[in-house]
Amino acid sequence: QVQLVESGGGVVQPGRSLRLSCAASGFTFSSYAMQWVRQAPGKGLEWVAVISYDGGKKYYADSVKGRFTISRDNSKNTLYLEMNSLRSEDTAVYYCARGRGRDGYQYFDYWGQGTLVTVSS
Amino acid sequence: QSVLTQPPSVSGAPGQRVTISCTGSSSNIGAGYDVHWYSQLPGTAPKLLIYENSHRPSGVPDRFSGSESGTSASLAITGLQAEDEADYYCQSYDSSLSGYVFGTGTKVTVL
Repeated sequence: QVQLVESGGGVVQPGRSLRLSCAASGFTFSSYAMQWVRQAPGKGLEWVAVISYDGGKKYYADSVKGRFTISRDNSKNTLYLEMNSLRSEDTAVYYCARGRGRDGYQYFDYWGQGTLVTVSS
Repeated sequence: QSVLTQPPSVSGAPGQRVTISCTGSSSNIGAGYDVHWYSQLPGTAPKLLIYENSHRPSGVPDRFSGSESGTSASLAITGLQAEDEADYYCQSYDSSLSGYVFGTGTKVTVL
């Protein structure tokens, strides 16, 4: 069965960096686009970034552009999110999700359990 | 601030029908981008409910249905059950933002 397991969350000071990982299993990881979605405490869902199946295309929400980098290692079935210059407003549960469909029409059919990132001094 | 607007809450008695609207614009739903729907129970990850406007993944009861028209989309739940109490989100793509967007979310309460 499809499994996505995030890790790497924790408490970090403003301005510092953190790297999240998402380990995938139960499907051919290298055939699917992957996404990051976050949810601030008590708030709604916010799309963060998407990476194509081969890593050749990456897109970001304006709120994280220039600070966050999405990447993947298909040999390790792992998705990453490198987060730099973190701000208090980046505090959220971060979910990885598998993308289905063509560019611009994707939906997210499987989600991980999420990892909490808290940005605080 | 999301570009897809949903009512904050809807409620209904068991067995009733409720609908959740998702209002967008000419750069997302009105441009022909598909709308997808997710449900989320407290403390858990979202779950895909409807994809490509009106398709249900296997395992989703046919009590859930989706539709789309113009710059809006709707999720209908018929035969409301206590287990349907959750938060619901629509999702699409916005060409002005060049990214995916979620709706503001709707909490469904079963009276």
